[in-house]
Amino acid sequence: GAGVSQTPSNKVTEKGKYVELRCDPISGHTALYWYRQSLGQGPEFLIYFQGTGAADDSGLPNDRFFAVRPEGSVSTLKIQRTERGDSAVYLCASSFGGSAGGGTDTQYFGPGTRLTVL
Amino acid sequence: AQSVAQPEDQVNVAEGNPLTVKCTYSVSGNPYLFWYVQYPNRGLQFLLKYITGDNLVKGSYGFEAEFNKSQTSFHLKKPSALVSDSALYFCAIPRASGGSYIPTFGRGTSLIVHP
Repeated sequence: GAGVSQTPSNKVTEKGKYVELRCDPISGHTALYWYRQSLGQGPEFLIYFQGTGAADDSGLPNDRFFAVRPEGSVSTLKIQRTERGDSAVYLCASSFGGSAGGGTDTQYFGPGTRLTVL
Repeated sequence: AQSVAQPEDQVNVAEGNPLTVKCTYSVSGNPYLFWYVQYPNRGLQFLLKYITGDNLVKGSYGFEAEFNKSQTSFHLKKPSALVSDSALYFCAIPRASGGSYIPTFGRGTSLIVHP
């Protein structure tokens, strides 16, 4: 069965460049989440989509970061004017969505995209 | 703000011995608590969760965790460790947001099981 997939698996770019990271969620999952994981740290929440709309973008660090999910399936995380501090593994997760079961909406994570900014 | 702490960066245990990975939490009210595992070159996998009810929660791969309100802890345990259990383990506490729950993760504990 298809899990959450992320492309590319690795991305090396130069400081100041623009990058796009793609996430394909599990089919039928309405909720999609982006996280960033720096070395030696736990994943840090960036943004959460319910369908096509961003339900919570409180984790985006600044306006260089933007994410879209135009058709409620695939999502793209976009980073403008990359900085060396953006280097991390970017994780995507999806879930069925909604609050049914009170917190039992399990998130399924993709393998991540390792972004290196030189 | 709610948070979790994992006081150990690394835990070493011999195969066949019991293992414990520690987690403490800070929250006002009753928490939800999760454990995730991250194997090398693989995505995070959900292990188990505490919502309410029994303090001992059973999860995947023979793991269990004990919720202790008086000690504000949610330690992950397994009676007999396997070499294949070697991985990064993350405790997490979710907050409600827009119809879902957003976990705040601890820094992680590296579990190394020696043959």
